[in-house]
Amino acid sequence: EIVLTQSPGTLSLSPGERATLSCRASQSLIASYLSWYQQKPGQAPRLLIYGTSTRATGIPDRFRGSGSGAHYTLTISRLEPEDFAIYYCHQYGNSPGFGPGTKVEVK
Amino acid sequence: EVELVQSGPEIKRPGESLRISCQASGYLFVSYWIGWVRQMPGKGLEWMGIIFPRDSDTRYSPSFQGQVTLSVDKSTNTAYLQWTSLKASDTAIYYCARVPTTHYAMDVWGQGTTVNVSS
Repeated sequence: EIVLTQSPGTLSLSPGERATLSCRASQSLIASYLSWYQQKPGQAPRLLIYGTSTRATGIPDRFRGSGSGAHYTLTISRLEPEDFAIYYCHQYGNSPGFGPGTKVEVK
Repeated sequence: EVELVQSGPEIKRPGESLRISCQASGYLFVSYWIGWVRQMPGKGLEWMGIIFPRDSDTRYSPSFQGQVTLSVDKSTNTAYLQWTSLKASDTAIYYCARVPTTHYAMDVWGQGTTVNVSS
């Protein structure tokens, strides 16, 4: 079973700052099956990134995904007010699942 | 417009059965997997399983295998998530989502169905 770990658990930043979110797996992943989601309170999750680095339709280019092997990163270059939310990584492969999430909150 | 519309909130007793639905529109239903995700109150996302409507090929998370059943009705473009005997621990929001075969990410989500199981 593959376990995903996300860090930090909470990221306190100001609008305009850069956010770097980490997703580590207990073993190497299939990069084409690594995705990132954003969830705001009371809303369904939204797909941001799939295949490690491809932005989903309508996702602004301040969101960038990268990584390989067992370590993946979501970077938000300049936080906008609407970016404060919880972010989850997900892998589909051996035992599909989500990471526990990183909350990006206003400092 | 691609859309997944889920059935409304449910309040059930432990031991009761339940089937919730997810109706798809705006795309070819049989060509994409439908996935289900659980979110317990105040918690994160849990991947439950996926079903391919064309042939009903189904893949369950080990955590949910035997606890729920996924099914589809191709005639109405509807996917279902079913329990035969609910427990209080099934209280959660359940989301369905479209899953392309190319990358298996969940690219379009339903609005969620809240299930409350309480005696």
